[in-house]
Formats: sequence, structure tokens, C-alpha cells
Amino acid sequence: DAGITQSPRHKVTETGTPVTLRCHQTENHRYMYWYRQDPGHGLRLIHYSYGVKDTDKGEVSDGYSVSRSKTEDFLLTLESATSSQTSVYFCAISGTTEAFFGQGTRLTVV
Amino acid sequence: AQSVTQLGSHVSVSEGALVLLRCNYSSSVPPYLFWYVQYPNQGLQLLLKYTTGATLVKGINGFEAEFKKSETSFHLTKPSAHMSDAAEYFCAVSDWVTGGGNKLTFGTGTQLKVEL
Repeated sequence: DAGITQSPRHKVTETGTPVTLRCHQTENHRYMYWYRQDPGHGLRLIHYSYGVKDTDKGEVSDGYSVSRSKTEDFLLTLESATSSQTSVYFCAISGTTEAFFGQGTRLTVV
Repeated sequence: AQSVTQLGSHVSVSEGALVLLRCNYSSSVPPYLFWYVQYPNQGLQLLLKYTTGATLVKGINGFEAEFKKSETSFHLTKPSAHMSDAAEYFCAVSDWVTGGGNKLTFGTGTQLKVEL
């Protein structure tokens, strides 16, 4: 398995609270991504990074922000969690062709 | 914009039967195409990929897929299903041209059930 670690693996939080999910890689890949997975939607891109401090929006970026201060870490922040952000979040990394995925973080907003 | 359509959200086959999971894509650039498999409560594992070259690509666990440009299809097949193939399968197309590495657009997934 590609060296990708997501933390936490599970989290329950209350509406309106900030939440940060972490993705850590040991592969030194340039590109990192955050996706969310919801039934009937497959996976959808939230944000991605193409280098340290270089990030851009994906398809479903509203309500999310990201940061990448080191090559190996990519953080996803929900500034004020809402119930619609209950989902499974996957981090991915890629080099030139295929992407490799982490094990996911199951986030429940109550 | 790119898109992926997977026909059939649920497919059921008998053990030993042919597996056929359908994927059609739309892309304004030469596509990179992927099939991923997801087992319960796990991440996505790459089954196979098409980038350039041979249009019939072989992957892990006996799966293969054929890129047909004229049909904009990338269907996944396996000659003989095994119980362990039961999982959810995702087709994806990569926007590798406009920067950002491999930004993937996924289909909505096909849940494969294998029955005795």
C-alpha cells in the first residue's frame, strides 16, 4: 500500500464546530487531493494541492479549506461543520499517472 | 468538463460467471481511464489503468478492460467471478492536461454481488 495515513479515522462532531482532517504521505508525491464519498455520488473532488502552499478548488469546495505547509501533509478544514458535510473523506496522492488512496475518515456531524 | 457514467448501480452474477461492468466517459482531451475497487470500510484500490498504447489492459485479480474510443467506453470484465470479487467498483477519468496532476472524475459506482 502507498504510504498514506489519514487521521482521525472516525469523528463525530457538532454542527457549527470547526474540524480538521489530516493526510500524511511518505511517498514524496507532488499532488495531493481530498475527496468526499456519498451514496449515489461516487467520489467528488473537494480541493487539491500541486505543491507546498499551492492549492486549488475542486468540484465541491464550498465550506472547506485546505493547507499544505509541508510536502507530506495536507489538511482539510471544515470551518463550521454542517450536517450536509457528514460523509466519508478520502485523501489521495499521485505522481504522473495513477492516484493512491488512504483508508478514509468517516465524519458525522450531529 | 469530464463525466463518467456507470450503467447499473447493482450487478449480480453467479460464481464462475462472466463479470461485465459498464463505463462510458466524456472527455474533451485524450483520457486517462481507471477502474478502482472498494471493499467494505476500506479505501480505493487501483485495479487497472489506461493511459496510452494498447487498448486492452490487464489488471489485478484477473480483471481487464478495453478502451474503445469510438464508443467512449471502458468496460471492465472478468471471465469467471469469485466470491471474493464482491465489492464496489468505480470507473474514473483523469483530467491530466489542465494541471493538478490526476484530478479524477468518478462514476457513481457499481456494487457487484457474487452468488453461489
